Amino acid sequence: AQSVTQLGSHVSVSEGALVLLRCNYSSSVPPYLFWYVQYPNQGLQLLLKYTSAATLVKGINGFEAEFKKSETSFHLTKPSAHMSDAAEYFCAVSFRTGGGNKLTFGTGTQLKVEL
Amino acid sequence: EAGVAQSPRYKIIEKRQSVAFWCNPISGHATLYWYQQILGQGPKLLIQFQNNGVVDDSQLPKDRFSAERLKGVDSTLKIQPAKLEDSAVYLCASSLASRQDTQYFGPGTRLTVL
Repeated sequence: AQSVTQLGSHVSVSEGALVLLRCNYSSSVPPYLFWYVQYPNQGLQLLLKYTSAATLVKGINGFEAEFKKSETSFHLTKPSAHMSDAAEYFCAVSFRTGGGNKLTFGTGTQLKVEL
Repeated sequence: EAGVAQSPRYKIIEKRQSVAFWCNPISGHATLYWYQQILGQGPKLLIQFQNNGVVDDSQLPKDRFSAERLKGVDSTLKIQPAKLEDSAVYLCASSLASRQDTQYFGPGTRLTVL
C-alpha cells in the first residue's frame, strides 16, 4: 500500500523567508510524487511532479522539490515566501496500476505567510 | 482552454435527502475522477472512469453513492440518502488517458448535510 505523511498541519513563515513543507512517502514500488496547492474555495492545482526523471523537480511559482529515495522524502521548498503563497498544500503519491494512476493524498499543510 | 466545470458550487440538504453533482471535464480528457475531501483531510478517490467505463470504484460507498458517465463526457455523482458524515467537498478531476499522471481539478462542490 502507498501513503504519504505530511509533517505539520500548519506552517507559518515571514514574507521573504524560506518555505519548507515536509512530505514522506511509503510505497512498495517506485512512486510518482506530486505537490498540489489549493487556494480557498478552489480546486487543486498541480505545482510539480516527480516521475522518475531528475530528482530535483522545479515547479510553478518558484517552488521546487527533491526526491530522496534514501530518506523516502519529497519536501517542497521555495527560497522566498510571498503573501500570495498562503494556501493549503497537499503531497500525493501514485503508481501505475492496470487501471492507471491512483493518487493518494496526504492530509495537507496550511501555509501562512506573515508580514 | 476551459477547465473542469462543476455545479452546483454549494449545496445544503438535510439528512436522508438525495443530492446530485455534475462535472464537465476538459475536452478530450478520457479519464474522469471523483474525489471526496472531508474538512481537514486530503482528497480521497471515490471513482475513476475511463470513457464511460468504471476503472476503480473500490472506495465508493455503493449503498448510497452512485456515479455515471453515460456518453463518456459529463458525469454525475449522486448520494441517496445523504448522511451527516457526507458533508465534504466533492472534487471532479480529468486527465488524458495517456497522461494520467497529470490530473486537472475542478473547483469542487461543497456539500453540507444538516
